Amino acid sequence: GAGVSQSPSNKVTEKGKDVELRCDPISGHTALYWYRQSLGQGLEFLIYFQGNSAPDKSGLPSDRFSAERTGGSVSTLTIQRTQQEDSAVYLCASSLQFFGSLDFGDGTRLSIL
Amino acid sequence: EDKVVQSPLSLVVHEGDTVTLNCSYEVTNFRSLLWYKQEKKAPTFLFMLTSSGIEKKSGRLSSILDKKELFSILNITATQTGDSAVYLCAVTPPSGSARQLTFGSGTQLTVLP
Repeated sequence: GAGVSQSPSNKVTEKGKDVELRCDPISGHTALYWYRQSLGQGLEFLIYFQGNSAPDKSGLPSDRFSAERTGGSVSTLTIQRTQQEDSAVYLCASSLQFFGSLDFGDGTRLSIL
Repeated sequence: EDKVVQSPLSLVVHEGDTVTLNCSYEVTNFRSLLWYKQEKKAPTFLFMLTSSGIEKKSGRLSSILDKKELFSILNITATQTGDSAVYLCAVTPPSGSARQLTFGSGTQLTVLP
């Protein structure tokens, strides 16, 4: 079956522009996570959605970052007024249950010029 | 705050060697410990461990959890160049917890021919 799908796979933009990253989780997965991974670094937690509960936004690094999940399925991560330090791979993952193993998408590689 | 520490940070071996990767955690309680392999893109799931002392095995890879000493190990025997990757471990929260899972920073394994 289809895995977690992320788009775009690569995004190059100028500093100061807004970007939107999309994640299509596996159908039926109630938990959805966004992570950021800089070159050679581990996974940095950004935000977590679980069913209809309020999202855990504790990992968002600044108020330029926001995310939503519509209808319990597709999620969009938005970064406003991008900065060069936002350059990283943004990974989305979903899970059938909040405590289960995660299925990851291939990520969006974001480059801020 | 939950803490997951992986060691070593990086490891270089030659084909045929056996390696042991470590994951220790400071978590009040958790449901399971997960191991992932990350090559170029998305982390791929290896093992989920929930019970102490029970080894999980998949080919040349095996893993075990010690809940008393709060660590897990991932063993890879007869290493191959295709085993070169970052190996990540994570702990998942218990049922009913508002916490999300916590990743370690990973071990970079390089297998030389």
